[in-house]
Amino acid sequence: TQLLEQSPQFLSIQEGENLTVYCNSSSVFSSLQWYRQEPGEGPVLLVTVVTGGEVKKLKRLTFQFGDARKDSSLHITAAQTGDTGLYLCAAGGGADGLTFGKGTHLIIQP
Amino acid sequence: DSGVTQTPKHLITATGQRVTLRCSPRSGDLSVYWYQQSLDQGLQFLIQYYNGEERAKGNILERFSAQQFPDLHSELNLSSLELGDSALYFCASSRSGGRTGELFFGEGSRLTVL
Repeated sequence: TQLLEQSPQFLSIQEGENLTVYCNSSSVFSSLQWYRQEPGEGPVLLVTVVTGGEVKKLKRLTFQFGDARKDSSLHITAAQTGDTGLYLCAAGGGADGLTFGKGTHLIIQP
Repeated sequence: DSGVTQTPKHLITATGQRVTLRCSPRSGDLSVYWYQQSLDQGLQFLIQYYNGEERAKGNILERFSAQQFPDLHSELNLSSLELGDSALYFCASSRSGGRTGELFFGEGSRLTVL
């Protein structure tokens, strides 16, 4: 089973600040996904990255897949209170199923 | 609304009991996944079905079983319940069983074992 380490585990910042969260593994992945989960709801897919070095932007969110396809980062510019949530990375699939990291709990304070 | 329906939303039961969680996938989705989420373990993959057949298996306990029916809905059966089984159980569905497909999650079933 592939292990995905996410850091930091918890992050609380002020509205308007920038932040980066990380997803690391010793395994190489063919693709990696980022999900966001809000309280009382299931995770919702934000992006899938497939190519090493790939950068994808979703409004103020920038996702990067490492060149070696072992790690990924999520950068949020000018964070807003609506960005509050649990950010999960996921990879794998196949016989082992899609594995999720434990997530980064992000709180954006007004 | 993801289109995935899970019932019940909340369930309180006693140790040693058995419960069944139900999931209806999005219309047209052939794959159903079951996950267990707890504060300390995060989102743990239990099992995946694709068009009625078991496709992948995670750390699912022997006390737990699942199946996918011909109409593609799925049930997760949890038996001989223990306090540690208290968690959120999520069902997700996807169009295919592939590695890069998007998973659509239901709102979860919160199980409390007393």
